Amino acid sequence: QITLKESGPTLVKPTQTLTLTCTFSGFSLSTNGVGVGWIRQPPGKALEWLAVIFWDDDKRYSPSLKNRLTITKDTSRNQVVLTMTNMEAVDTATYYCAHRKTAAGGVLDTWGQGALVTVSS
Amino acid sequence: DIQMTQSPSTLPASVGDRVTITCRASQSISSWLAWYQQKPGKAPNLLIYKASILQRGVPSRFSGSGSGTEFTLTISSLQPDDFATYYCQQYNTYSYTFGQGTKLEIK
Repeated sequence: QITLKESGPTLVKPTQTLTLTCTFSGFSLSTNGVGVGWIRQPPGKALEWLAVIFWDDDKRYSPSLKNRLTITKDTSRNQVVLTMTNMEAVDTATYYCAHRKTAAGGVLDTWGQGALVTVSS
Repeated sequence: DIQMTQSPSTLPASVGDRVTITCRASQSISSWLAWYQQKPGKAPNLLIYKASILQRGVPSRFSGSGSGTEFTLTISSLQPDDFATYYCQQYNTYSYTFGQGTKLEIK
């Protein structure tokens, strides 16, 4: 059974850097084709894809946010970390991580419960 | 960037209705299209991937079709548990884009 869980601060100040950790079980990020993605959702708004990291350490970012995002993995600890710099109030959102299902062409099939991050001074 | 446009934004319907939600891609994505259901305060739940393949455990009243740039999600007979927000998502390249969502509400 695949599970993922997001962790990190619930409150960050404007201009600070956000660091979120996705801890997962039920799969390995060293397996060919596997990936973990990050998605966010501002309150009452739509889902927005942020980044994905693959088993071979390839990384892809949302074009609109790529200058602020860094995604890394720690295969031995089954963790993926997302950092976002220069946080603003508009970055207030629930942040999700999700498993990329290789057999289904790369769809994000299993999601964590989400972590609400509020940006406020 | 590939843009995804869903319609309608809101869909009033009644239990037992047959409903269809449309998703259009700004360029061809072959069949690399997924549909998710999201309820308030919960993570999205994958319903359909590769445009028409039902995820394990999803009721058969849900179906998807389309390829290229035009896709549809159909619920054949609405059940009370189906009132939620639905999102399409493309995964054609090694990146992802979501539609803006369709809120299915009780008429």
